[in-house]
Amino acid sequence: DARVTQTPRHKVTEMGQEVTMRCQPILGHNTVFWYRQTMMQGLELLAYFRNRAPLDDSGMPKDRFSAEMPDATLATLKIQPSEPRDSAVYFCASGLSTSGRGLFYEQYFGPGTRLTVT
Amino acid sequence: GEDVEQSLFLSVREGDSSVINCTYTDSSSTYLYWYKQEPGAGLQLLTYIFSNMDMKQDQRLTVLLNKKDKHLSLRIADTQTGDSAIYFCALGDTDKLIFGTGTRLQVFP
Repeated sequence: DARVTQTPRHKVTEMGQEVTMRCQPILGHNTVFWYRQTMMQGLELLAYFRNRAPLDDSGMPKDRFSAEMPDATLATLKIQPSEPRDSAVYFCASGLSTSGRGLFYEQYFGPGTRLTVT
Repeated sequence: GEDVEQSLFLSVREGDSSVINCTYTDSSSTYLYWYKQEPGAGLQLLTYIFSNMDMKQDQRLTVLLNKKDKHLSLRIADTQTGDSAIYFCALGDTDKLIFGTGTRLQVFP
């Protein structure tokens, strides 16, 4: 049963600390998405990779957030320094893309990392 | 950019039908999707419809698409307490989907 895994599941940290969240996409998937979910803003797309190349990070605050894919089995989202307004649930999703238009695409979501910044 | 809107909350009695609505601005999507998010979990694909269809039925789920009005709906028949979740519509013509704001469905006995 292939699943997207995320670690840690929960993280509590103090303002100013660095936070790193990790995601292991489903083996064979070539797209990875990072989302942030809050009550106020709903689900926001932060970053999007295809074949490990970043395609869109326009939703990410560039001064403190960074997203990378060191290899095909690992995606990371880093916040440095963290702030209380970063408190949210961060989801990673993966999918299989052929880069075409008008095709059926499914995104498979991980269980999320619940981040609390005090 | 694409705007995808949903009402925030819906409350229904167990056994009744639920209808969750979604409106969008860009009609170029070939597929339109409904995702379900159960408490404490990530989103999971529930059903989808091809854009040249008006309706798709899948057991208790009925998806209706009105392309003229840019309106998508999900009907859940005989709603159960296990259907309590947040429902997201999603659309897009590439692997990058645009998700709606989500509708929280609460089912009471």
